Amino acid sequence: DAKTTQPNSMESNEEEPVHLPCNHSTISGTDYIHWYRQLPSQGPEYVIHGLTSNVNNRMASLAIAEDRKSSTLILHRATLRDAAVYYCILRGEYGGSQGNLIFGKGTKLSVKP
Amino acid sequence: KAGVTQTPRYLIKTRGQQVTLSCSPISGHRSVSWYQQTPGQGLQFLFEYFSETQRNKGNFPGRFSGRQFSNSRSEMNVSTLELGDSALYLCASSTGQYTDTQYFGPGTRLTVL
Repeated sequence: DAKTTQPNSMESNEEEPVHLPCNHSTISGTDYIHWYRQLPSQGPEYVIHGLTSNVNNRMASLAIAEDRKSSTLILHRATLRDAAVYYCILRGEYGGSQGNLIFGKGTKLSVKP
Repeated sequence: KAGVTQTPRYLIKTRGQQVTLSCSPISGHRSVSWYQQTPGQGLQFLFEYFSETQRNKGNFPGRFSGRQFSNSRSEMNVSTLELGDSALYLCASSTGQYTDTQYFGPGTRLTVL
C-alpha cells in the first residue's frame, strides 16, 4: 500500500494559519490525496481531497507538490474547534487500498487561545 | 439528510460472548465500511459491503463478520469476544465509488470484560 508520513503533533495559535505536511513518495498516478480529521470523541470527517491541482473548499486548502510526492493541508485561520487528529490518506481504485481508507497515525493539532 | 447512525452507542460484554452492531447509512448510499479504533493500533479497516456483497476485507480474524441488507443497512458481528476486541467501532457510508467521500457515524464503544 502507498504510505504517508506525517508529523506526530503540531501546535498553532488561534486565528493563525496552519500548514500540515504530508509525504507520500510512493504515490501512484491514480491515487487521490484525501484528508480527514477526527475531533475528540467523534468519528472522522472528510476535509478535502485532490489529485494533481491545488484545491480549496470552505474548510481548508490543499496544496499538492508538482511531483505529487508531498502535500500540505492549509487551515487559513485556526480556531479552537480545529483541534483534532488530521489524517492524510491515499486512495485509489487499484492497489491495496481499493478505495478504502488506510489510516496512519495522523498529526494531532493543538490550538492555543 | 440524516447522517450515519450506529446502534448501540455503548456496549459491555464479557469474554466469550458475541455481539452485533448496527449501522444505518445515509439515504441513497450503497456502500458501508467498518473500522476498528484502538489506542494501540489506531483506525483499522475491517470490511466493506456494497450492494449486499462484501467487496473488500481487511486483515482481521474470521470472528469478525458482517452483512448488508437490501436497504443498505449493515450489521457487523464479533463472535467469541476477547479482551482485545474492546474498541470503538465506526461505520462509514458512501455512494460506493472508490474515491468518494466516506461519512462516518459516531461509533459504538464496545468494552469486553
